[in-house]
Amino acid sequence: DSGVTQTPKHLITATGQRVTLRCSPRSGDLSVYWYQQSLDQGLQFLIQYYNGEERAKGNILERFSAQQFPDLHSELNLSSLELGDSALYFCASHPTGGSGTDTQYFGPGTRLTVL
Amino acid sequence: GNSVTQMEGPVTLSEEAFLTINCTYTATGYPSLFWYVQYPGEGLQLLLKATKADDKGSNKGFEATYRKETTSFHLEKGSVQVSDSAVYFCALTGAGGSYIPTFGRGTSLIVHP
Repeated sequence: DSGVTQTPKHLITATGQRVTLRCSPRSGDLSVYWYQQSLDQGLQFLIQYYNGEERAKGNILERFSAQQFPDLHSELNLSSLELGDSALYFCASHPTGGSGTDTQYFGPGTRLTVL
Repeated sequence: GNSVTQMEGPVTLSEEAFLTINCTYTATGYPSLFWYVQYPGEGLQLLLKATKADDKGSNKGFEATYRKETTSFHLEKGSVQVSDSAVYFCALTGAGGSYIPTFGRGTSLIVHP
């Protein structure tokens, strides 16, 4: 158990809808990273938040947004969903804003299915 | 940009066989290198890492050596078990001043009894 929790575990929705994925980092970790894992694209970095502020942005679509709250949990909002958004979404946490040598701690993921 | 290339899977082995999963990278500067493992239905977890050239990371019988001259970080285990069946990801961070990890596509390992 990494100490990172994600809810829900599974989510099934329809095209055009909006969903919210939630992540609680390990106790004391200030950074949250969001990743999308799909069969054709592998593991893609979406966005990082550090202590409530956006810190780095990756391949995140404009239809997607995220935020980190004062209690350090984070939410990833996906809107106008398309079939191609079906994937596993992982969050990972880290104690600091980022370091080239440090490990990330991953949650169990949310599997999103868009029908 | 930075990139990580892993051998295509799945890799299928019998129990107690020797395992090698190849990983090569392209990066500027001196990245740190990682192997993460993803068991079915779970998130990624760190298996081992190496932060400078010639370092050897090891854990649970797995080893990988940071080879700067060949830009490689191949994962090895002398005798695999059924419980090692999982997807293995090679990754790097710290290249070109970026701490955002770059992951390989993952290699699925299936170990038969």
